[in-house]
Amino acid sequence: GENVEQHPSTLSVQEGDSAVIKCTYSDSASNYFPWYKQELGKGPQLIIDIRSNVGEKKDQRIAVTLNKTAKHFSLHITETQPEDSAVYFCAAGANNLFFGTGTRLTVIP
Amino acid sequence: DAGVIQSPRHEVTEMGQEVTLRCKPISGHDYLFWYRQTMMRGLELLIYFNNNVPIDDSGMPEDRFSAKMPNASFSTLKIQPSEPRDSAVYFCASSRDSISNQPQHFGDGTRLSIL
Repeated sequence: GENVEQHPSTLSVQEGDSAVIKCTYSDSASNYFPWYKQELGKGPQLIIDIRSNVGEKKDQRIAVTLNKTAKHFSLHITETQPEDSAVYFCAAGANNLFFGTGTRLTVIP
Repeated sequence: DAGVIQSPRHEVTEMGQEVTLRCKPISGHDYLFWYRQTMMRGLELLIYFNNNVPIDDSGMPEDRFSAKMPNASFSTLKIQPSEPRDSAVYFCASSRDSISNQPQHFGDGTRLSIL
């Protein structure tokens, strides 16, 4: 089955700086790569996703890049704000989703 | 639109008791997923349904776990008998189509504690 690895497990940045979270996957059949944000006591919320026919996607301060050859994808958050503090999960799959272990992002005001 | 609704939000019960978790997917969504989240194992898919039919239950830990979807607007995950190692947050998610075409939307979960 698919194996998704996510790094780093924790990340602290100053407000206004950028944050980058990286994931790798193992199954070349995976064709869908979403990113979720989870706040305390809540379920994961989709923030951006990318499909295998696209190399990059951007939505305001959030961008995702995908390198299918290397089997890795990354989340980029620019101009971070305190409300970006949360746990972020990457996922990969084709019929099912396999999740990374999460990155706890702390944005320091 | 209402999101995925799960109940109860919290459940504390003693080992050996039967536990039933409930989920109402988003109206019009044909896929329903049950996940378990723990510190040790992260988010794991337990089972998913398409049009009320179980498609893949390979993630269900053992026979003590069972899931049903009697209609398009309701699903249950049952644990009988419950054990302390079942303590986790259980999430239900739904999507309009397969994950390749439509994203999954999660509920806020049921935090289950087995004493």
